[in-house]
Amino acid sequence: GENVEQHPSTLSVQEGDSAVIKCTYSDSASNYFPWYKQELGKRPQLIIDIRSNVGEKKDQRIAVTLNKTAKHFSLHITETQPEDSAVYFCAASIAGNTPLVFGKGTRLSVIA
Amino acid sequence: DAGVTQSPTHLIKTRGQQVTLRCSPKSGHDTVSWYQQALGQGPQFIFQYYEEEERQRGNFPDRFSGHQFPNYSSELNVNALLLGDSALYLCASSLGTGLNEKLFFGSGTQLSVL
Repeated sequence: GENVEQHPSTLSVQEGDSAVIKCTYSDSASNYFPWYKQELGKRPQLIIDIRSNVGEKKDQRIAVTLNKTAKHFSLHITETQPEDSAVYFCAASIAGNTPLVFGKGTRLSVIA
Repeated sequence: DAGVTQSPTHLIKTRGQQVTLRCSPKSGHDTVSWYQQALGQGPQFIFQYYEEEERQRGNFPDRFSGHQFPNYSSELNVNALLLGDSALYLCASSLGTGLNEKLFFGSGTQLSVL
């Protein structure tokens, strides 16, 4: 089955700096890669997702890149703000076929 | 527009007891998935319900069972509780055609087994 590794487990950045979180997956058939943000005590929220037919997707300050050959994908947050502080989870699946398999999460702290 | 609602928000049980958790999906959604999130871990898939049937199941024992009602709401039942069942149980809803896409999560039920 699919296995998703996520790094780093914790990340601290200064406000205004960029943050990068990386994930690797094991199943080459996986083709759907979402990212979820979970603030303390709140529900996970989908912030961006990418399919294997594209290499990059952007939404304002957030971008995700995908390298299918290397089986890894990354979340990039630019101009970080204190409200970006949360736990971020990556996940992988075969769209419409298998359930999401999540990484263990990255706790991002943005220091004002 | 109401999102995914789960009840109760917190629950304390003792080993060997049984528990039922409830979930109402986001308006317009017809598929419900249940996840277990242990402390410091990512959510782990338990099972998914669509059209009142279990469509997919993760690597969880038969002590975990579920049900979906005609109004798309769902229940998760856990029998013979173990200490290791202590976790946040998340319900996520989606449209039937997107088995695992655009999942909309509830805030979860925090289960503590003593």
